[in-house]
Amino acid sequence: EVQLVESGGGLVQPGGSLRLSCAASGITFSDHYIDWVRQAPGKGLEWVGRSRNKANSYTTEYAASVKGRCTISRDDSKNSLYLQMNSLKTDDTAVYYCARGYSGSGSYVNAFDIWGQGTMVTVSS
Amino acid sequence: DIQMTQSPSAMSASVGDRVTITCRASQGISNYLVWFQQKPGKVPKRLIYAASSLQSGVPSRFSGSGSGTEFTLTISSLQPEDFATYYCLQHHTYPYSFGQGTKLEIK
Repeated sequence: EVQLVESGGGLVQPGGSLRLSCAASGITFSDHYIDWVRQAPGKGLEWVGRSRNKANSYTTEYAASVKGRCTISRDDSKNSLYLQMNSLKTDDTAVYYCARGYSGSGSYVNAFDIWGQGTMVTVSS
Repeated sequence: DIQMTQSPSAMSASVGDRVTITCRASQGISNYLVWFQQKPGKVPKRLIYAASSLQSGVPSRFSGSGSGTEFTLTISSLQPEDFATYYCLQHHTYPYSFGQGTKLEIK
């Protein structure tokens, strides 16, 4: 069974930092892109960023709202993806999900079919 | 950036009704469109990918159509478990973008 599990959320003060993790099982992790999506309380879904797979040199993409403040990295030996968030703002308060993205050289048949349960980040003083 | 305009933002319907939700992209996205269903407190669930391909395990009353800039999600006969919020997502061009959501409520 394919599973993604996020962790690392919590309460942080404005200007602080947090590192979220996404642990995968049931897939060949290095073969997959992984995306981060967030949802502020009572609001819609917002795409945050993406890590491409090993075949695409683990390159990353970011939404404008987090670019320069967030960094996506991964450790394929641990089947894990990370979202390092710095200079956090109250607007970053949200549930953060990781989701399976493309696979291989760019197949999107399975993109966004598997999501983790989410981890809550609260930015407040 | 590509804007995804979803309509309506909310609607009420009855069990058995046929419902159509529309997503319009501000520029062409071919068929790089996904539809999701989300119930309160739950994780989004993929219903349709590649604009018109039904996710395995999703009832056949759900269907998607469109290409380019205009897309629709149709529920042919609403069931009680279908009352939820629906989102579209374009993954053609970075940054990816979601529609604002359509909240489907019971009439």
